[in-house]
Amino acid sequence: QVQLLQSGPEVKKPGASVKVSCTASGYTFSAFYIHWVRQAPGQGLEWVGRINADTGDTNYAQQFQGRVSMTRDTSITTVYMELSGLRSDDTARYFCAKPHIVLRDWGQGTLITVSS
Amino acid sequence: DIQMTQTPSTISASVGDRVTISCRASQSIRVWLAWYQQKPGEVPSLLIYKASTLETGVPSRFSGSGSGTEFTLTINSLQPDDFATYYCQQYSSYSTWTFGQGTKVEI
Repeated sequence: QVQLLQSGPEVKKPGASVKVSCTASGYTFSAFYIHWVRQAPGQGLEWVGRINADTGDTNYAQQFQGRVSMTRDTSITTVYMELSGLRSDDTARYFCAKPHIVLRDWGQGTLITVSS
Repeated sequence: DIQMTQTPSTISASVGDRVTISCRASQSIRVWLAWYQQKPGEVPSLLIYKASTLETGVPSRFSGSGSGTEFTLTINSLQPDDFATYYCQQYSSYSTWTFGQGTKVEI
């Protein structure tokens, strides 16, 4: 079965960067994109972007352009999302998710807290 | 990026009620719309895709309709397990996806 295992929670200071990992198993890694979605406490879902696990091509939501970078390591079937210039409003749970047409399989989420 | 506007933000309902949630896209997305349900502390769960196709295992009291820019999620005979937050999401754009703001269905 598909499993997406994310790295643990992080606490960062404003202005810092954070890198979250998502390790996939149970399917052919290079055959699918991985998407990243975030959810601030008590708020809705926000699509961050996606990476083609085969080619490494990326697409980012406009509001994250210039601050987010997604990469992958096919040898360990892991995708990374790095967010820089952290602000307090970046405090959220960040999910990786695998699509099959739409998002069907989700990681458990990684809580990123930005606080001075 | 395509914007998705969901209304209302909150619905107060009772068991047995029929509930309707609307989702509007800022431009035509044809039928490339999904609906998700999320309960507190859980990851989102897919209900419907391609505007009206029910995901396997989802109860038939859930239905979706619409095309172009106007879409609706209907829950017939609301059950206790249905009290949750619902999100629409467009996947029409080749490069970027977008969620609606969410609708909380509460007692």
